[in-house]
Amino acid sequence: GQQVMQIPQYQHVQEGEDFTTYCNSSTTLSNIQWYKQRPGGHPVFLIQLVKSGEVKKQKRLTFQFGEAKKNSSLHITATQTTDVGTYFCAVAGGTSYGKLTFGQGTILTVHP
Amino acid sequence: DTEVTQTPKHLVMGMTNKKSLKCEQHMGHRAMYWYKQKAKKPPELMFVYSYEKLSINESVPSRFSPECPNSSLLNLHLHALQPEDSALYLCASSQGEGETYEQYFGPGTRLTVT
Repeated sequence: GQQVMQIPQYQHVQEGEDFTTYCNSSTTLSNIQWYKQRPGGHPVFLIQLVKSGEVKKQKRLTFQFGEAKKNSSLHITATQTTDVGTYFCAVAGGTSYGKLTFGQGTILTVHP
Repeated sequence: DTEVTQTPKHLVMGMTNKKSLKCEQHMGHRAMYWYKQKAKKPPELMFVYSYEKLSINESVPSRFSPECPNSSLLNLHLHALQPEDSALYLCASSQGEGETYEQYFGPGTRLTVT
């Protein structure tokens, strides 16, 4: 099935610092989704990227899809304590239509 | 209404018990999913229902039995579970089954098997 490597596994930042998490695939992706899971919560959909080289912004969050559609990143500018949580990328499952495979996630801690 | 609800929130059961997890959505979504999530790990897909029919079973042990009574409801019947089955069980739904649809997750049922 489709697999994606996500790094880093953990990231500790001071409030106000920037944060980036990366997802990489060895194969070309049709699209990629990003989810956020707060501590004790459930995954919440953030965005979907479909086009090669696509860049989308949501306030302080910037999402990019690589030109070769094999990698993606999520960048948060000037982190806030509300950004704490685990950020997952998720990709379609290849042969299993409808299957979403999640990256391992990046756990973000923001120190005030 | 963009909410997926799950009951119960917490469940403790013995290895000989039979219990059921319930999930409901009223968004008119045609695909519904069960995921299992261990601490500090990503959700792992268990089952997918599309138009009330089971379309994906990720080789889940038979002690987990899904059921989709109608397009809004999804159940997961549990029987003779093992302690390693303790986890957060998440239900999700999407407009259709496919890679272009975002998934809406419920709050989950935290299951402990003793």
